[in-house]
Amino acid sequence: EDQVTQSPEALRLQEGESSSLNCSYTVSGLRGLFWYRQDPGKGPEFLFTLYSAGEEKEKERLKATLTKKESFLHITAPKPEDSATYLCAVVGITGGGNKLTFGTGTQLKVEL
Amino acid sequence: DAGVTQSPTHLIKTRGQHVTLRCSPISGHKSVSWYQQVLGQGPQFIFQYYEKEERGRGNFPDRFSARQFPNYSSELNVNALLLGDSALYLCASSLEGARNSPLHFGNGTRLTVT
Repeated sequence: EDQVTQSPEALRLQEGESSSLNCSYTVSGLRGLFWYRQDPGKGPEFLFTLYSAGEEKEKERLKATLTKKESFLHITAPKPEDSATYLCAVVGITGGGNKLTFGTGTQLKVEL
Repeated sequence: DAGVTQSPTHLIKTRGQHVTLRCSPISGHKSVSWYQQVLGQGPQFIFQYYEKEERGRGNFPDRFSARQFPNYSSELNVNALLLGDSALYLCASSLEGARNSPLHFGNGTRLTVT
């Protein structure tokens, strides 16, 4: 069974204070690892897909990296508008199709 | 461009009742998936439909059913509601499987069972 563990559960940063969120996963044959951002009362918003170890993707202040066991979401010089819950999910060979297995998320708060 | 739209946005039902939730995918997307998100947890997979056929089912009881229509919209039905069914129900659409086409989620239907 695919499993995803995210840490920390919650993170409070000052504006401009860079940090990283961790996503550890166990999956039979990784087909893709996904990062989403979720604001309160909204659905998850797609950020990145990573397919193989060593891959990196960037978008504005966010950079996602992938190894064979975990993924990191690096946030550089965050702003208050980056405050949200960040979700990590995987699709494995046994899951197939659109069966994403999600972690419980990291709730990020960026303060002035 | 219109994203994934879901209706209703909020719903309050009583135990034992039945509920139908609706979803319209992004134009051109043929795959629709349903997820349940309990407060403080990540979304959990319920169903996937592609070209009107069920392609996957999560670990949910038979009280949960779904279908996809010729225009690719979808309905999720839940019978004999339990208090534990209270959650945010998310619909997601994609061009095809998530391996090649990321899921785009709607803002969900908040279901409260009393």
